[in-house]
Amino acid sequence: KQEVTQIPAALSVPEGENLVLNCSFTDSAIYNLQWFRQDPGKGLTSLLLIQSSQREQTSGRLNASLDKSSGRSTLYIAASQPGDSATYLCAVEGAGANNLFFGTGTRLTVIP
Amino acid sequence: DAGITQSPRHKVTETGTPVTLRCHQTENHRYMYWYRQDPGHGLRLIHYSYGVKDTDKGEVSDGYSVSRSKTEDFLLTLESATSSQTSVYFCAISDIVTENYGYTFGSGTRLTVV
Repeated sequence: KQEVTQIPAALSVPEGENLVLNCSFTDSAIYNLQWFRQDPGKGLTSLLLIQSSQREQTSGRLNASLDKSSGRSTLYIAASQPGDSATYLCAVEGAGANNLFFGTGTRLTVIP
Repeated sequence: DAGITQSPRHKVTETGTPVTLRCHQTENHRYMYWYRQDPGHGLRLIHYSYGVKDTDKGEVSDGYSVSRSKTEDFLLTLESATSSQTSVYFCAISDIVTENYGYTFGSGTRLTVV
């Protein structure tokens, strides 16, 4: 069974810092990897999706990379803002599987 | 999220009563999913559907059933609710994955079983 781990579980940074969130997965046979954002009491908002044939995706201040062979992905947030405070979830879809396997998330706090 | 609606948003029910949660989509996507989110466990798949009347179990399906009689609606039923089913339930949809589109999630239903 695919296991997804996110480190750190919580992170607090001052506004303006660049930061990296980490995600690792145990089975490298994945179809794609998706990063989500979840605000307290809310649903999941998709941030970036990386298909298995891709190495990275960018959207604005966000950049996600994927290294399938090592089972790792990183989400880079540039010039962090208080509005970036949320929980960030990493999820992988296994090849041939109709399911997303989720990590337990990194709770990010950006201090003004 | 636009295109996917869950109802109700909140529900409190008593142990032993049946409960049905509804997911409605306007995207005409083939796949629909029910997940539950619990502290320390992340989101886990309960059941999913790959077409009308076509469903399959996920990793935490015990105590739950689903039905999909129309492309747009996917129902999750707790036949006899237990306190362990207190959770936040999310519906998701997906179709052909492209670099700009993966899974889309609804806003969730917070269910409390007392």
